[in-house]
Amino acid sequence: GAVVSQHPSRVICKSGTSVKIECRSLDFQATTMFWYRQFPKKSLMLMATSNEGSKATYEQGVEKDKFLINHASLTLSTLTVTSAHPEDSSFYICSASSGTGHQPQHFGDGTRLSIL
Amino acid sequence: GQQVMQIPQYQHVQEGEDFTTYCNSSTTLSNIQWYKQRPGGHPVFLIQLVKSGEVKKQKRLTFQFGEAKKNSSLHITATQTTDVGTYFCAGHGSGNTGKLIFGQGTTLQVKP
Repeated sequence: GAVVSQHPSRVICKSGTSVKIECRSLDFQATTMFWYRQFPKKSLMLMATSNEGSKATYEQGVEKDKFLINHASLTLSTLTVTSAHPEDSSFYICSASSGTGHQPQHFGDGTRLSIL
Repeated sequence: GQQVMQIPQYQHVQEGEDFTTYCNSSTTLSNIQWYKQRPGGHPVFLIQLVKSGEVKKQKRLTFQFGEAKKNSSLHITATQTTDVGTYFCAGHGSGNTGKLIFGQGTTLQVKP
């Protein structure tokens, strides 16, 4: 149980393109979804926290107009990297948790984004 | 802000040797969670510790939560090549925000 699906797994696109990444909880309702960015051989950097039906809470230094997050249902959250540039190239990974309080997070497989 | 420090950053061991990674928080934690990320994979939840001084075991893995709830450790007995990966600790601060603070991770390499 507790499977999170993230698509696409890999994106290569030109500078200036907007890229949408989907994160779905397949067998549970995710009251909260998290978006992380991970640099090579580094830890997970939380970008934002989203709750279904409400605006995402962004971490300090993360541009909300650059990284648009939508959590339209209890099973789907999307991250759109708008007008992506080479410095946005990274590994983006989502996670989801159910219930309230300090539940374990279940991670998607991540999306490797490469901006040329 | 709250920080979670994890050491060592890297550890190479011979198969069969033991391995320990340590996690320290700048503030008291509500709980501590441990995750394992295999090379090329995503973090997978291993365990959660909540109580002061709590010790939990999963086969060859032993997890401890310090008495002051500011530190934790993961010990693997008799490592195997399947233990290879990066182990992250992550803690929730006080309150109910649900935000996890991850340590930097310890990458374990096991030589057969």
